[in-house]
Amino acid sequence: EVQLLESGGGLVKPGGSLRLSCSASGFTFNSYSLNWVRQAPGKGLEWVSSISSRSNYIDYADSVKGRFTISRDNAKNSLFLQMHSLRVEDTAVYYCARELNGRSAIFDSWGQGTLVTVAS
Amino acid sequence: EIVMTQSPATLSVSPGERVTLSCRASQNINVNVAWYQQRPGQAPRLLVYGASTRATGTPARFTGSGSGTEFTLTINSLQSEDFAVYYCQHYNNLPPLYNFGQGTKLEIQ
Repeated sequence: EVQLLESGGGLVKPGGSLRLSCSASGFTFNSYSLNWVRQAPGKGLEWVSSISSRSNYIDYADSVKGRFTISRDNAKNSLFLQMHSLRVEDTAVYYCARELNGRSAIFDSWGQGTLVTVAS
Repeated sequence: EIVMTQSPATLSVSPGERVTLSCRASQNINVNVAWYQQRPGQAPRLLVYGASTRATGTPARFTGSGSGTEFTLTINSLQSEDFAVYYCQHYNNLPPLYNFGQGTKLEIQ
């Protein structure tokens, strides 16, 4: 069974930093592209960032470009999102999501999410 | 940028009914559409991709259709667990695109 488990969320002040992690199991981790997708309270889904299986393709939404960094450790089946210069509008549940079939941009498995709250 | 517009925002229906959710793209996107279901307090779940291909585990009562700019998700014989928010997504891998619609909430009438 595919499992994705996010951690690292919490309360942080504007301008602060936070590092999210996603631990994966139940599939061949180094064969899949992975993503972070977020959802602000009561709002819809917003894609944040993507990383290919070997980290050779990385993309960011314009809203986080230059502030967030996605990375992965295939030896430890883990995905990360380093977030700097956090803003109130970054407040959201952050989901780790696996892409179906390589770089399909179709999200076939999701974690349960970790809540990031940016407030003073 | 391709904009995905879902309608209506909220749909009130009764269990056992059939319902059709709509998603419109601002330009031709062939069949590069996926549908997701999000129950309250849960993560999204992939239902359909390629406009009409059911994902593993998606019940047969869910049917996706459409191409170009108009897409629909039809749910036959609504079950209690189907009351949720549904999102359509335009996807593309070259260049990577991940645009979601704003969602349609299906609520019990």
